[in-house]
Amino acid sequence: QKEVEQDPGPLSVPEGAIVSLNCTYSNSAFQYFMWYRQYSRKGPELLMYTYSSGNKEDGRFTAQVDKSSKYISLFIRDSQPSDSATYLCASRARVGGSYIPTFGRGTSLIVHP
Amino acid sequence: SAVISQKPSRDICQRGTSLTIQCQVDSQVTMMFWYRQQPGQSLTLIATANQGSEATYESGFVIDKFPISRPNLTFSTLTVSNMSPEDSSIYLCSVLSDGSYEQYFGPGTRLTVT
Repeated sequence: QKEVEQDPGPLSVPEGAIVSLNCTYSNSAFQYFMWYRQYSRKGPELLMYTYSSGNKEDGRFTAQVDKSSKYISLFIRDSQPSDSATYLCASRARVGGSYIPTFGRGTSLIVHP
Repeated sequence: SAVISQKPSRDICQRGTSLTIQCQVDSQVTMMFWYRQQPGQSLTLIATANQGSEATYESGFVIDKFPISRPNLTFSTLTVSNMSPEDSSIYLCSVLSDGSYEQYFGPGTRLTVT
């Protein structure tokens, strides 16, 4: 079992829909959780960065972490065609100060007009 | 945030040759990373490069194949040596912000080995 599992999709939704992207993780030591957006032929762009459980909102994006179930979610409200990209979740623990995260495979999101 | 540039953005190389990828950051950072990303796959960490120390390589990656330099706090290079078609991939430079510990990525170098 990989430490961070993510359904690769693709997930196809109509413009304006609420999108839910999810990951599960297995390492109880993970404390920090990130979501990256990666457009085709570009590097990953940090979207959300959260510590421990709870919600964090930034504009149309909400990151949610449930440590009891080891579940990570990213919600996108009022989705736009420009949101079409691959979304990668990542988690890490502070192990000896290395700060190296584990990434999921990424979920491909397609928002069609 | 950190702004990262990479050179070249893409290259097509012949088997047996070597390519050096440059990574420049707009601010001083202690920790830099090099990743590889195959099409449709997640990110695979090649090595961690901290200024002032030897690079630390992940399992499956060796210094002879992927030598790394880290001469200062804003610059690093990754060389892909004696290339084979299996080395065709996207190579990404990444940094960890010293203050916030947020991780940022460069735009990537798309390498094709023929």
